Amino acid sequence: GAVVSQHPSWVICKSGTSVKIECRSLDFQATTMFWYRQFPKQSLMLMATSNEGSKATYEQGVEKDKFLINHASLTLSTLTVTSAHPEDSSFYICSPQKGLAYNEQFFGPGTRLTVL
Amino acid sequence: ELKVEQNPLFLSMQEGKNYTIYCNYSTTSDRLYWYRQDPGKSLESLFVLLSNGAVKQEGRLMASLDTKARLSTLHITAAVHDLSATYFCAVGRGSQGNLIFGKGTKLSVKP
Repeated sequence: GAVVSQHPSWVICKSGTSVKIECRSLDFQATTMFWYRQFPKQSLMLMATSNEGSKATYEQGVEKDKFLINHASLTLSTLTVTSAHPEDSSFYICSPQKGLAYNEQFFGPGTRLTVL
Repeated sequence: ELKVEQNPLFLSMQEGKNYTIYCNYSTTSDRLYWYRQDPGKSLESLFVLLSNGAVKQEGRLMASLDTKARLSTLHITAAVHDLSATYFCAVGRGSQGNLIFGKGTKLSVKP
């Protein structure tokens, strides 16, 4: 298996503030990191894909200036929600890719963001 | 564009009964995954299906894949309350590695 951690597990913030979410692969190196978002009672939607040392690729409809992704090392990626608004309240889940795409896909435990 | 459809979206079962969840996808893919999600939690991997005709079983759950029909099924045998959760199927998007998820099936098993 693989161990993935996310921090924080939950966060409550005021509108207009920025929140940073960390995702770490603890026992493997991940050249690629996927960030997903899950709104209440909905499915997971891919937000962006990042490769270590490169700029992230964002899915259509996801604002790259609002959701800043940094993948500076093979074991750490961060997602920063800038100027958060209540509509950004969601469950954010990272998925570092271990090895080939055909392997099992691993997911972090998620970060629940609530913006007041 | 790859689309993944699950049905049913809601399933209320009695303990001891059998049922099947269906997952259809729109374009060719050779990777299909089933996950379980409990409320407030992340995803727990159940099965990875990588070839046509693949069948995997774990306890009361069995998953199969028909790549020609672009269909996967998750069969539940003699359901128990502990199986109550939301089940997602997800399909690999080309060589990019990321997954496209179905909407999920919320399963409730009642005594």
